[in-house]
Amino acid sequence: AQKITQTQPGMFVQEKEAVTLDCTYDTSDQSYGLFWYKQPSSGEMIFLIYQGSYDEQNATEGRYSLNFQKARKSANLVISASQLGDSAMYFCAMPRMDSSYKLIFGSGTRLLVRP
Amino acid sequence: DTGVSQNPRHKITKRGQNVTFRCDPISEHNRLYWYRQTLGQGPEFLTYFQNEAQLEKSRLLSDRFSAERPKGSFSTLEIQRTEQGDSAMYLCASSLALRGLSSEQYFGPGTRLTVT
Repeated sequence: AQKITQTQPGMFVQEKEAVTLDCTYDTSDQSYGLFWYKQPSSGEMIFLIYQGSYDEQNATEGRYSLNFQKARKSANLVISASQLGDSAMYFCAMPRMDSSYKLIFGSGTRLLVRP
Repeated sequence: DTGVSQNPRHKITKRGQNVTFRCDPISEHNRLYWYRQTLGQGPEFLTYFQNEAQLEKSRLLSDRFSAERPKGSFSTLEIQRTEQGDSAMYLCASSLALRGLSSEQYFGPGTRLTVT
């Protein structure tokens, strides 16, 4: 069975600093993927970044990057130069490796950016 | 560019009443997913459609729940005889599943259901 663990219920970061949100996963599949989504207070889940298990480079999208360590089964999200608008819930998710690709989510991390 | 839309955004109902939610996916997306999210938790899968066919239902989806996607376009999720435990955010997502497991799902704003 696949499982996602996010051990940080809440995090604080000072504006303009970088922050790392932790995600560890468990899967027996050789090929898999990992997503990060942001959920502001409005409720909508916003796609941030994707990493495939066979991607040679760590994924980057603007201020977001993934610190992907396959041997440790971790896919931590790094947000550089934090902005006040980054305050939100962040979820790590893995698609089920059947034909559904339904997402298995972690419990999330609430990030608060301090001015 | 229109994203995924959901209506209503909020619904308050009394226990025992029926409710129906609507999701309009991104038009070219062939897959549509429903998830439920309770306070402080990540979303949990309920069901999904490929075009008009409902291919999988979670054990979370009791027989009081039914979902449809007529003609492979919009989808409805109906809850009959609502219970207080049904109070949650119901999220809809769509994707174009051509890229397999890397196909990102685009989410709507959700419908927040409160059962009193």
